[in-house]
Amino acid sequence: EAQVTQNPRYLITVTGKKLTVTCSQNMNHEYMSWYRQDPGLGLRQIYYSMNVEVTDKGDVPEGYKVSRKEKRNFPLILESPSPNQTSLYFCASSPGESLHEQYFGPGTRLTVT
Amino acid sequence: GESVGLHLPTLSVQEGDNSIINCAYSNSASDYFIWYKQESGKGPQFIIDIRSNMDKRQGQRVTVLLNKTVKHLSLQIAATQPGDSAVYFCAETRMDSSYKLIFGSGTRLLVRP
Repeated sequence: EAQVTQNPRYLITVTGKKLTVTCSQNMNHEYMSWYRQDPGLGLRQIYYSMNVEVTDKGDVPEGYKVSRKEKRNFPLILESPSPNQTSLYFCASSPGESLHEQYFGPGTRLTVT
Repeated sequence: GESVGLHLPTLSVQEGDNSIINCAYSNSASDYFIWYKQESGKGPQFIIDIRSNMDKRQGQRVTVLLNKTVKHLSLQIAATQPGDSAVYFCAETRMDSSYKLIFGSGTRLLVRP
């Protein structure tokens, strides 16, 4: 089944404790992206990657890191999480020729205390 | 500033009626306009898109209309069903910017039995 998977789905952590949210897609998509979703603000792009070893900042990249060492994986790293990073996070992927048609993962709900 | 927004945060319709969800945008340079559906507890799901050089596009039970004169986008759902209950987001992409997908804040559609 073609899908985007994220792990973990739920995470509660404390301020400053490094964490990684994994994202994997099995559709051989070139483009991958991370979004955060907050009430009243919709989805905001954090980082995106056009292909392996190519990453760029989205609209809200502060406090986040990403890497794209393999085509299928695009982990989101929070080196020192803070409470304002409490949010619902979505990973997405799309074929390079259809960047607007993105396939989203199920989401990761992160709480930073 | 650049924005993609929505007229109504919540829309309630009777099952079987047609639904119309509206969206205003401010950037005339957008290449694609897209509608996504997000059901509770899930990631957004692509519904339909329309290229900026088109006025109308039809899918299965859905129609998207684009009025570039007033910078308005709408999603029409025919014969609304309980399974259509979700939050609907409009989004835009601009290929001249950094391949971003910019989302509006969403409209919740409630279908009354």
